[in-house]
Amino acid sequence: QQPVQSPQAVILREGEDAVINCSSSKALYSVHWYRQKHGEAPIFLMILLKGGEQKGHDKISASFNEKKQQSSLYLTASQLSYSGTYFCGTEISGPGSGGGADGLTFGKGTHLIIQP
Amino acid sequence: NAGVMQNPRHLVRRRGQEARLRCSPMKGHSHVYWYRQLPEEGLKFMVYLQKENIIDESGMPKERFSAEFPKEGPSILRIQQVVRGDSAAYFCASSPFRGWYGYTFGSGTRLTVV
Repeated sequence: QQPVQSPQAVILREGEDAVINCSSSKALYSVHWYRQKHGEAPIFLMILLKGGEQKGHDKISASFNEKKQQSSLYLTASQLSYSGTYFCGTEISGPGSGGGADGLTFGKGTHLIIQP
Repeated sequence: NAGVMQNPRHLVRRRGQEARLRCSPMKGHSHVYWYRQLPEEGLKFMVYLQKENIIDESGMPKERFSAEFPKEGPSILRIQQVVRGDSAAYFCASSPFRGWYGYTFGSGTRLTVV
């Protein structure tokens, strides 16, 4: 089942903060976050495993609430280079578990536009 | 390290022809995933392969589509008798292990069926 991302789009000025949410109707093993610029390959940002962890590097961080089956991506003090479409990808089973599809299921994406 | 290499970048086929999309994973990566993307849509999972094995093809149409990842050479996604609805961007990704690792994506093949 495809995870639901919100918002669908957001426009910010440089330096402002953004939060992108990803919700699943199924129990999750992991959540991945990717950014894709128009006409380019998606770029891996981070992976969060079940256990309710929070991760981050530079000004981009994410949390994973296993009980709520939700993940959020936080972008602070946004830069022009952050513009693009952000996708969350979810796994419902871990390696060797034998359950579910083995590929990530991606949301429809959140378009982020950063204006100077 | 050249990353994930996909070719061709653009492919135009007439209805009824065959399309062959190639993907060479990153060095050291033995897990390959194919995804299809339509405009304003997310990436839709098609198939997951390891060397010489199809692990999960639950996202791939049963007719006209096939995938392989031979012992030597790139992974191939093959679409026979293409139709206009097959027009999309096809992305390949690879990872060194199943789980716990992010995917490295190739730049994609944009297939246009005329």
